[in-house]
Formats: sequence, structure tokens, C-alpha cells
Amino acid sequence: QTVVTQEPSFSVSPGGTVTLTCGLSSGSVSTTYYPSWYQQTPGQAPRTLIYSTNTRSSGVPDRFSGSILGNKAALTITGAQADDESDYYCVLYLGGGIWVFGGGTKLTVL
Amino acid sequence: EVQLVESGGGLVQPGGSLRLSCAASGFTFSNAWMSWVRQAPGKGLEWVGRIKSKTDGGTTDYAAPVKGRFTISRDDSENTLSLQMNSLKTEDTAVYYCTTVRGSNLQYFQHWGQGALVTVSS
Repeated sequence: QTVVTQEPSFSVSPGGTVTLTCGLSSGSVSTTYYPSWYQQTPGQAPRTLIYSTNTRSSGVPDRFSGSILGNKAALTITGAQADDESDYYCVLYLGGGIWVFGGGTKLTVL
Repeated sequence: EVQLVESGGGLVQPGGSLRLSCAASGFTFSNAWMSWVRQAPGKGLEWVGRIKSKTDGGTTDYAAPVKGRFTISRDDSENTLSLQMNSLKTEDTAVYYCTTVRGSNLQYFQHWGQGALVTVSS
């Protein structure tokens, strides 16, 4: 069974830069997994941030960026703001009509 | 503006059935691939299943935990997506989100509804 891994939690200072990662239990993440990223605050529906590795969804500020770093997908937030404090989820497309979400990263801005 | 509005959630006993609906507007529903994603209380997101547009074959795919118990269907005349859930288990308790899917060379969940809560409990 394929497991997508994310850091359970991370903290960043206001104005700082943080990189969250998305890996595979076995193997490397590449662009062929079409990594995408979603932001969710408590009680709200997820919001699409990044798709196809590094394309920002409409209306997403350019302080959010996506990439492949080593063998993982990555979401970098540059100049973190207080309202970036959220849960962040990545999802990978495994092919054959199957997607798997990571467990999510709880980001604290303090 | 794209709108996805889920309905049909509620309390059901283990072993029971429930049908969720998602009313779509603001886009050409018949051309869209659609998906369901769920979130158990205090837990992360979990992909449930996807249905392609009829133009692309209308086929469905499901996550292993729900395969054989859940069925996704669509009514393009009513712009409605449905999720029929049978043989429900307590671990199916979750908020169920309806999403649009950009397929082909994108493969991501573009728009999300606000979710419907399903509670499976005796």
C-alpha cells in the first residue's frame, strides 16, 4: 500500500520562509505524480493552492510556490503571514484513476 | 461562479445505507470529471472516488476502503453528482466533500463544496 508522507507539524516566524514536503513510503516523487497542495483552516473546506507540481491556482498569492526537492514534492511559503496558519495537504496521482493524500502538516505561525 | 452544494448527510446505523448528492452550478457539469473526498473527525483528507465525464467514458474509480460498497453516479440533466454508500461502517464517519477534477495532464481537485457530515453509529 502506497503511503504519502508529510511532516505532522511545522512552525515558522512571521515573515519567515518554510518548506513543507511530500514524499512516498517507497520511491521518489516526480512530476509524473502531478503533486498538488491544499490549504485547510478548521471548519472550512480545503482550498486549492498548487497543482501539477508548481502551478498556482487562481487567486493564490505568489508567496506560495511548489517544486520537486530531491525525491519529494515541496510547498514553500515565503514571507509567512499569520493567516497562513493552517493545515496543508499534498496529494499524489498514482495513475489508474487513483489518488492518495498525505496525512497533512499543521503549520503554526509564531 | 462555481458552486458545489452537498446534501443528504446524517446519522445512519452500521450496515445501513445513505445517499449523498452534490448540486453543481457555474460550469458545464456534463464536461466535468467529479470526485468525492472525505475527512474523518480530527483526521486528514482521504480520496474516495472519481467519475469521468460521459464524453470521456463516464468510468469510475474508487479507493480500496470503499470499493464494492460505494457507488458514484451523475445526472447531467440535473447537474447532480451522487454517492451511494452501502454497508456503512463506523470508520466511514466523515465530512464528505464534492470536488471537480481536472484530469488529463493536471490530475487535481479544483473546486470544493462545503461538505456533508455522515455519522455512522448505533
